[in-house]
Amino acid sequence: AAGVIQSPRHLIKEKRETATLKCYPIPRHDTVYWYQQGPGQDPQFLISFYEKMQSDKGSIPDRFSAQQFSDYHSELNMSSLELGDSALYFCASSPPGGRGDTDTQYFGPGTRLTVL
Amino acid sequence: QKEVEQNSGPLSVPEGAIASLNCTYSDRGSQSFFWYRQYSGKSPELIMSIYSNGDKEDGRFTAQLNKASQYVSLLIRDSQPSDSATYLCAVKYQAGTALIFGKGTTLSVSS
Repeated sequence: AAGVIQSPRHLIKEKRETATLKCYPIPRHDTVYWYQQGPGQDPQFLISFYEKMQSDKGSIPDRFSAQQFSDYHSELNMSSLELGDSALYFCASSPPGGRGDTDTQYFGPGTRLTVL
Repeated sequence: QKEVEQNSGPLSVPEGAIASLNCTYSDRGSQSFFWYRQYSGKSPELIMSIYSNGDKEDGRFTAQLNKASQYVSLLIRDSQPSDSATYLCAVKYQAGTALIFGKGTTLSVSS
């Protein structure tokens, strides 16, 4: 079965640089979520999109922005990178409905961002 | 503040034993409950979802939900060394919103 695709899988940036992470949800899934997981931490919700509109916002820094496109893929744009942004960034998607078994989130393999 | 609490472990069990993982949550409005398994450096992998009070079984895994006590648990029967991982309890307050994760319980199954 098709899974969530994320690219790139690994990214190394310098402080103050910018980075763009991409997420391709499971086909026919209409909701995309972004999470950040620091070393030894649990995943922290950043932002989500439903049908190309922002649906929920968590602890996303103002330096970060995201959007969902007409083909449902999503991009997380990160500017003025700081050392503390080094983490695993996961994208998850869920199918239409949002109730019962359809609200399950399926995670992609993640992008490991290292800021030097 | 919506919180999800888990014992961090490590929880050590011998191969073939039952592993019991527990989770409590703070928000009574929570509707959906999930258990994910995560290997080091990998993404969370869904094990089970549960929405109604009672037990839900899937193979060697049984999830239990008690909304009155705000408690969710996961039982792993016939534990295998390959089950050694961090188990994340996740709670969703309402449809369309984020998962709130516990800090995870590290399970170690010895052969």
